[in-house]
Amino acid sequence: NAGVMQNPRHLVRRRGQEARLRCSPMKGHSHVYWYRQLPEEGLKFMVYLQKENIIDESGMPKERFSAEFPKEGPSILRIQQVVRGDSAAYFCASSRELAGANTGELFFGEGSRLTVL
Amino acid sequence: QKEVEQNSGPLSVPEGAIASLNCTYSDRGSQSFFWYRQYSGKSPELIMFIYSNGDKEDGRFTAQLNKASQYVSLLIRDSQPSDSATYLCAVNGPSNTGKLIFGQGTTLQVKP
Repeated sequence: NAGVMQNPRHLVRRRGQEARLRCSPMKGHSHVYWYRQLPEEGLKFMVYLQKENIIDESGMPKERFSAEFPKEGPSILRIQQVVRGDSAAYFCASSRELAGANTGELFFGEGSRLTVL
Repeated sequence: QKEVEQNSGPLSVPEGAIASLNCTYSDRGSQSFFWYRQYSGKSPELIMFIYSNGDKEDGRFTAQLNKASQYVSLLIRDSQPSDSATYLCAVNGPSNTGKLIFGQGTTLQVKP
């Protein structure tokens, strides 16, 4: 049973370029979450998605950042015109949809480490 | 005030001792509480979750929750060098959507 799969594991971009990070949730999981972790800091919530819907994007910067979780394929976190401050580890997590409730037990991928030169 | 607060440490304990990790949270409506372990350069992995006041034990780990004091802790008995990692406390909000708010983590060092 494969876990949460993220790619690329490492990504280097120059300022102004675009970064695309992909996440495939665990089998049977329909909820996807993206978190950002800066060096020596905790995980910061960015966005919560279900298939074809953004449920909560309260942690996403208003500009340059977008996320999607299409009907087919992985979830994508897209960062346009990257700046040095975007350098971080971006973790995707997924959870199983339970009838009537979501317990919040998240399973994390290995992360995508973005470096902006 | 941060939503979830932890002492960043490092907390250093000798092998075999009990390590006590603490966390406070600000939202009285929070319902679910989680402890994750994160090794350097790796992803967080779930250790325990607790929903009710009191203690919950799982092997060498015990989670303690006191909602009145807005306090949750993790005890690790018989600490091993392999327990050396950063421990992240996370809190789920009242809407119970699975959105977790994380503390900055406490670094634990277990010395042989």
